[in-house]
Amino acid sequence: EAQVTQNPRYLITVTGKKLTVTCSQNMNHEYMSWYRQDPGLGLRQIYYSMNVEVTDKGDVPEGYKVSRKEKRNFPLILESPSPNQTSLYFCASSFSRDRGPDSPLHFGNGTRLTVT
Amino acid sequence: QQQVKQSPQSLIVQKGGISIINCAYENTAFDYFPWYQQFPGKGPALLIAIRPDVSEKKEGRFTISFNKSAKQFSLHIMDSQPGDSATYFCAASRRGGGNKLTFGTGTQLKVEL
Repeated sequence: EAQVTQNPRYLITVTGKKLTVTCSQNMNHEYMSWYRQDPGLGLRQIYYSMNVEVTDKGDVPEGYKVSRKEKRNFPLILESPSPNQTSLYFCASSFSRDRGPDSPLHFGNGTRLTVT
Repeated sequence: QQQVKQSPQSLIVQKGGISIINCAYENTAFDYFPWYQQFPGKGPALLIAIRPDVSEKKEGRFTISFNKSAKQFSLHIMDSQPGDSATYFCAASRRGGGNKLTFGTGTQLKVEL
């Protein structure tokens, strides 16, 4: 089954304790991205990657890191989490060649992170 | 700066009624306008999309209406069903924007029996 898999689904941590949220896709997509979803703000892009070893900042990159060493994986790293990073996080992927119905953005089921 | 403004924030519709969600954008470089549907505990999924060379696109009970001069687009759900209850996001992207979607703030739709 074609899918984007995120782990963990739920994570509660304390301020300053480094964490990684994993994301893997099995669709051979070049493009991968991380979004955070907050009430009243919709989905905002954190980082994206057009292909292996190519990453760039989105709209809200502060406090986050990513890496793209393999095509299928795109982990999100919070080196020193803070309470304002409490949010619902989504990983997404698509082919890069087109932004249309033939290449929609596929989302994972989300990771709900709470930082106390 | 909210580049895509979405309204209403929440919507309650009776079964069989029409649900209408509106979005407005500012960036005239946007040239692709999808709508995503999100059920609780799931990620958003593409519902329907339109490019600005057409004013309307229909897929089953779902229709996008697009007004390029007003920089507005809307989603109409005809014969709304309880199974349509979900959060809907409009979005926009531009050529050369690196596949980035700029999302609206979302509309929680509830269809009552």
